[in-house]
Amino acid sequence: DIQVTQFPSSVSASVGDRVTITCRASQGVSSWLAWYQQKPGKAPKLLIYAASSLQSGVPSRFSGSGSGTDFILTISSLQPEDFATYHCQQADSFPLTFGGGTRVEIK
Amino acid sequence: QVQVVQSGSELKKPGASVKVSCKASGYTFTHYGINWVRQAPGQGLEWMAWINTNTGNPTYAQGFTGRFVFSLDTTVSTTYLQISSLKAEDTAVYYCARMSSYYHHGMDVWGQGTSITVSS
Repeated sequence: DIQVTQFPSSVSASVGDRVTITCRASQGVSSWLAWYQQKPGKAPKLLIYAASSLQSGVPSRFSGSGSGTDFILTISSLQPEDFATYHCQQADSFPLTFGGGTRVEIK
Repeated sequence: QVQVVQSGSELKKPGASVKVSCKASGYTFTHYGINWVRQAPGQGLEWMAWINTNTGNPTYAQGFTGRFVFSLDTTVSTTYLQISSLKAEDTAVYYCARMSSYYHHGMDVWGQGTSITVSS
């Protein structure tokens, strides 16, 4: 199984800050990595697929990069509605696996 | 609009069974697979299975065989998760999520989640 490690587990940031979250796969997954945003008590929402493709309707301040084993989610200018938990997921092969999540908190 | 809607919260005693439904609408049901994902309290997301809605065949994660049964009824565009012999550690929110048209592209439509609490 492909293990997915996400870090940091939490980050404190202010509105307007640039935030980066890293996801590392235990073996290469090509570009098959997705990012999700989850707010408390709500279902996850797909933000980015195929490492860098923005899902329809997602603001352009979100971007993704990487390939192989190392991936980054960047929020270029954090907005109040972005405080949430972010999850990465490898979509290369079954079993699908998620990272442990990164909580973005208000500083 | 495209959506998947799950059945409501359940409170069950240890040893009981539960069946959760996930009804799709707004798209052709058999054109997209359905995933089931578990989230234990305060924990991350854990993929359980993917259901091929054409054949009904599931692909399971290890640890979700035996007590966990995944099924579907194409006539009502609904997939089901049944858990038998419930244990306290099954307490979690269970989500169904549509697989994107290309499975490498993640899960693009999520149900609202079904909370299952197992307690005596």
